[in-house]
Amino acid sequence: SQTIHQWPATLVQPVGSPLSLECTVEGTSNPNLYWYRQAAGRGLQLLFYSVGIGQISSEVPQNLSASRPQDRQFILSSKKLLLSDSGFYLCASTGGHTEAFFGQGTRLTVV
Amino acid sequence: GESVGLHLPTLSVQEGDNSIINCAYSNSASDYFIWYKQESGKGPQFIIDIRSNMDKRQGQRVTVLLNKTVKHLSLQIAATQPGDSAVYFCAADNQAGTALIFGKGTTLSVSS
Repeated sequence: SQTIHQWPATLVQPVGSPLSLECTVEGTSNPNLYWYRQAAGRGLQLLFYSVGIGQISSEVPQNLSASRPQDRQFILSSKKLLLSDSGFYLCASTGGHTEAFFGQGTRLTVV
Repeated sequence: GESVGLHLPTLSVQEGDNSIINCAYSNSASDYFIWYKQESGKGPQFIIDIRSNMDKRQGQRVTVLLNKTVKHLSLQIAATQPGDSAVYFCAADNQAGTALIFGKGTTLSVSS
């Protein structure tokens, strides 16, 4: 089965600072990769997904961007964080119409 | 846009009771559905999935029912245990079949 490595586990950043969250996948090749955000009391909001290297689809307009420099690497970034960017960020991987495997998440607090 | 929603944000049951968590989805073309369990501070864990060519699938103590006519999905947990306490999410694939769209989650609390 797949293993999703996501780091850091927790992060406290000041408003206006940059962000880079990294996710790497083991145990599969050519996965579809996803970034979800989970705000308190809410479900998982799909932010970005990628079906291949350099291919990024954005689901919602926002202050964030994503990149996929390698097949099993997915990066979530921001040039200037906003308070509203606080949340629990989850990276996921799937082979298509199959279950998604999730990382353990990054708790981001913007102060 | 596409959406997946759960009917109740919270559900409280007694240990040993059966639990039923319901979910509705909007995209009639959705082909794949999953239930996830999320414990505090962790990523979601897969429970059970079902494809649109089925209406029922059983796992260990869990059953997923799919009603495509009314676009409704349910998760049944038999003999609920305290360890089942968590947030449960349903998800459906999007129209392109490239991503999973999640509902908001139902918090299941099991008391002894």
